[in-house]
Order: sequence, then C-alpha cells, then structure tokens
Amino acid sequence: GDQVEQSPSALSLHEGTGSALRCNFTTTMRAVQWFQQNSRGSLINLFYLASGTKENGRLKSTFNSKESYSTLHIRDAQLEDSGTYFCAAEAGNNRIFFGDGTQLVVKP
Amino acid sequence: EAAVTQSPRSKVAVTGGKVTLSCHQTNNHDYMYWYRQDTGHGLRLIHYSYVADSTEKGDIPDGYKASRPSQENFSLILELASLSQTAVYFCASSDRGDTQYFGPGTRLLVL
Repeated sequence: GDQVEQSPSALSLHEGTGSALRCNFTTTMRAVQWFQQNSRGSLINLFYLASGTKENGRLKSTFNSKESYSTLHIRDAQLEDSGTYFCAAEAGNNRIFFGDGTQLVVKP
Repeated sequence: EAAVTQSPRSKVAVTGGKVTLSCHQTNNHDYMYWYRQDTGHGLRLIHYSYVADSTEKGDIPDGYKASRPSQENFSLILELASLSQTAVYFCASSDRGDTQYFGPGTRLLVL
C-alpha cells in the first residue's frame, strides 16, 4: 500500500539460515502487527507491537515509531516458515494499512 | 484463542446480484473489520465498526455496505455484485489498540 512499503517482495532461504523483513511507513503509525499467511490462506498472528522489540522462538520483531519502520527477523529458518508475511500498521485514526507482503520460500 | 468465523467460506455470484458475507466473533471485541485481498497483494480495508449499530468507511468502501447489528456480528453486503469484486474477503476483530484476529476468509467469485 501507499502508506506501507514492505521489502523484499520475495525471499528464498535455505533451512537453518535467517534474514530480515522490513516495513517502512510514510506517516507516523502507533502500532504494527505482523502476520504469516500460510498455503491455505489463513492469517496467523505473529506479533503486535506499539513500541520496542518482541521475541517468540525463532522470530523477533522491532517497531520504531519515531523512525517509521518495523522489522521481522527470522533465524534458523524451517520449511514450515514458508508463506507470505505481511505487516499491518495502525494509524492514529484507527485506520490500518497493510504492506504488499514478502513471499518467503524456505528450501531444504 | 480468539474465534472469528465467516460464512459462507466460498461463493459464486452473478453480476448484478446481491451478496451478503457474514462474520461472527466470540471474543467480546468492540472492533470488527472487513478486508479484501486480491491475488498477490495485501489486505485493503473496506469497512469497520467500533460499536454495534455503527459502521465506518475504510479505504475502499465503494460498492459495499456494512451492517453491525450486534457486537458479535458484522456483515458485508454487495448490493450489485461486479466482476471486479472477485476476491478473498477477511473479517477480523480486535480490542482498540490490540491484536487483530482474523477469520478464515471467504472466496467470492463473481461471474
């Protein structure tokens, strides 16, 4: 979307490696949420952040409101991590804007 | 875990026909949302609601109406379905300033 620029659009990783996904925001956002969309199309919640950093297993996310970006780090990638990852940013007027997603493929 | 259900899960509609998509949540959340997702893209907000009997326009409301008759239920209505409305539709619920929980989606094909 116009308010959210997500990169990269596609990413290929070998099992056991890691990388970072990033969302840049063109306006000030008050929170960000990260999702994984699996092969069946279901949206799985990963993180909701109003500030700072959260970690869950092999995933870690940071939200910097002042500098208008958020990152999602994946380490020790597994085959089941494959899917499309979206960030969704919440603006001050309750509007929510999605990025266009990162298609992640994890290869053996 | 939060529970958001949608019905139908898939639908084929004819151009010009009326389509109603339903969403039900058991999370006791005030906020509910309708999004559409087109192939290869993220979700775009159509309508949302933060209280029963009230709805708000999102980013792409044209051609859609919404109805929130109760806290638990939120419907999306296409009065005159068009080919361009073929998409996957997601409903979500949340508390204000908190995680959104999504339903499984409804695949709509307009012929």
